Order: sequence, then C-alpha cells, then structure tokens
Amino acid sequence: GAVVSQHPSRVICKSGTSVKIECRSLDFQATTMFWYRQFPKQSLMLMATSNEGSKATYEQGVEKDKFLINHASLTLSTLTVTSAHPEDSSFYICSARDPRQGEANYGYTFGSGTRLTVV
Amino acid sequence: GQNIDQPTEMTATEGAIVQINCTYQTSGFNGLFWYQQHAGEAPTFLSYNVLDGLEEKGRFSSFLSRSKGYSYLLLKELQMKDSASYLCAVRAYGGSQGNLIFGKGTKLSVKP
Repeated sequence: GAVVSQHPSRVICKSGTSVKIECRSLDFQATTMFWYRQFPKQSLMLMATSNEGSKATYEQGVEKDKFLINHASLTLSTLTVTSAHPEDSSFYICSARDPRQGEANYGYTFGSGTRLTVV
Repeated sequence: GQNIDQPTEMTATEGAIVQINCTYQTSGFNGLFWYQQHAGEAPTFLSYNVLDGLEEKGRFSSFLSRSKGYSYLLLKELQMKDSASYLCAVRAYGGSQGNLIFGKGTKLSVKP
C-alpha cells in the first residue's frame, strides 16, 4: 500500500532558527500533498496544499513567508518553519494523495508526524 | 464556513458498544472519513462513507445521512487498545485539491 515517510519525527530548536520537515511518498507519485498542524487536544488544521511544480496554496491566517513549502518533485514536499518561536511548537503532519486511490484509504496517506518544540 | 462537531470525550467499558456522533456543515460534500489517532501519532484510516447508509467493517461500522449532515462511528466489542481519539473528517470537494476538514476529535477511554 501507499507509504508516506515524514522526517524528522521529533525536533527541538532554538527560537529564531529554522527547521525543515520532509515528506516523501515512497511508492507512488504525489502531485498534491497537504500540510496540517495539530495543537494539543485540537484537531488537525490544514495549513497549506502543496502542488508539484507550482506555488503552494495557503489557508487563511497561515503566513506563507514563515512556513515555506517546496514541492520540487513528485515524491518530496518540504515544510520549513522559519524564525521559529515557541508558539510554533506543535505536531506537524503531512498527507499525500495517491492517484491510485482505492478502498484501502481512499487516497489519503498520512506521514507519521513531526513533533516540533521551540525553546 | 466549515464546521464539524463531535463530542470531546467519551468513556465506555471493555466489551461494550459505543457510538461516536459527528455533525457537519460544509460548503460541499464529497465523502466523510473516520480516523483513529493515538497521541503523538498520525491518524489511521477507519472508514469512508459517501452514500447514505451503514458501512460495516469488522468491529467498526460507520453511518451517514447526507440530508441531516450526520454520521456516527460504532465500535463493538470494545478492547482496551481502542482507547484513542477518533476524528471525523469531511472532504468538501473532489479532485486533487480535495483536502480533508477535521473535527476536533473524540477522546475515547475504554475501562476494564
């Protein structure tokens, strides 16, 4: 079945630094990937939709200059949190659409998530 | 706007049956998903409904009424390992841009 690898699983960084999170589709080509953020006891909130070869579409209230998304190939999308602040500490999850979607998951495969802590 | 409501927490006993409800109001509808999520992990797909009615898959069943904007997830023969958060999600639009809109999740605690 479709597999999405997300790396790193946990990262601690200092305020003001940047952190890059990678999301790779291992056995399929994903033209679209979604980036979510989840605060404790909250739901997954869509941050942006990443499209291969074009600019990402950001949700209202998400700063595109702070959360840089690059989807340079059909198997890799990256999210870079720039000038991180403690309030950026959260659980970030990517999801990729598998064009071969079937009954296994109807096309949505999630990465294992990245726990970001900014100190 | 988009709104998905589900209870925050539920408690049930091992071996029992529990029903988790979800109501939604979205600008479009192209399917409803249920996911299980353990703390600090990614969601795991449980079920998908796009037509009215009941979908059964082992111990899990999911029901949809599009006219009422309502779904429920039914868990039978509860096991301790079923303690987790259960997320209701709606896909408002189809195609490659069809992202999922999630509810806040229902934290289920299964007690002996």
